[in-house]
Amino acid sequence: DIQMTQSPSSLSASVGDRVTITCRASQSISSYLNWYQQKPGKAPKLLIYAASSLQSGVPSRFSGSGSGTDFTLTISSLQPEDFATYYCQQSYSTPSFGPGTKVDIK
Amino acid sequence: QVQLQESGPGLVKPSGTLSLTCAVSGGSISSSNWWSWVRQPPGKGLEWIGEIYHSGSTNYNPSLKSRVTISVDKSKNQFSLKLSSVTAADTAVYYCARVLCRYSGYGLPLCYFDYWGQGTLVTVSS
Repeated sequence: DIQMTQSPSSLSASVGDRVTITCRASQSISSYLNWYQQKPGKAPKLLIYAASSLQSGVPSRFSGSGSGTDFTLTISSLQPEDFATYYCQQSYSTPSFGPGTKVDIK
Repeated sequence: QVQLQESGPGLVKPSGTLSLTCAVSGGSISSSNWWSWVRQPPGKGLEWIGEIYHSGSTNYNPSLKSRVTISVDKSKNQFSLKLSSVTAADTAVYYCARVLCRYSGYGLPLCYFDYWGQGTLVTVSS
């Protein structure tokens, strides 16, 4: 099984801040890494696929990078609607998700 | 616009079988996509349960494989989940999702969950 970890587990930020979330895989997964945003009581929403490809309709302030075992999700300028929990997910083998990073208001 | 809607009992007794259905609209379940189930215990993270192709081919999470059955009904454009011998640890919001895979011609396909149902809470309790 491929284990996914995320850091930090939570962070507090202000509107306009640049936010970076890190995801690490227990073995190399090339670029088979996706990012999702989940708001309370809602289903996850796809943001980024294949490590760095922006899903259609997702604002360009979201970006992803990385390959192998280390990946990053960056929000260039945090907006009020971005306060949520973010999950990474690997699709290299049996799908698995990271534990999530909760972004809340400072 | 593809839409998915989960349905089924919200309460299941311990040792019983959890049964859910996901109705697909705005697209055909016979398209070139896999269809998946993901769950989320209250206040916790996401866990992939398994997936099915319209041909009936399935893949399951090894940790749940002995208890899970996913099936498809093409005539009703829906797919279903059965989880047997449930315990309180199976209490969760259950989501169905479409899996979109992009094939580059080399290497593994790039797959991700692009459409999700709203989720349904299933509680295991006597």
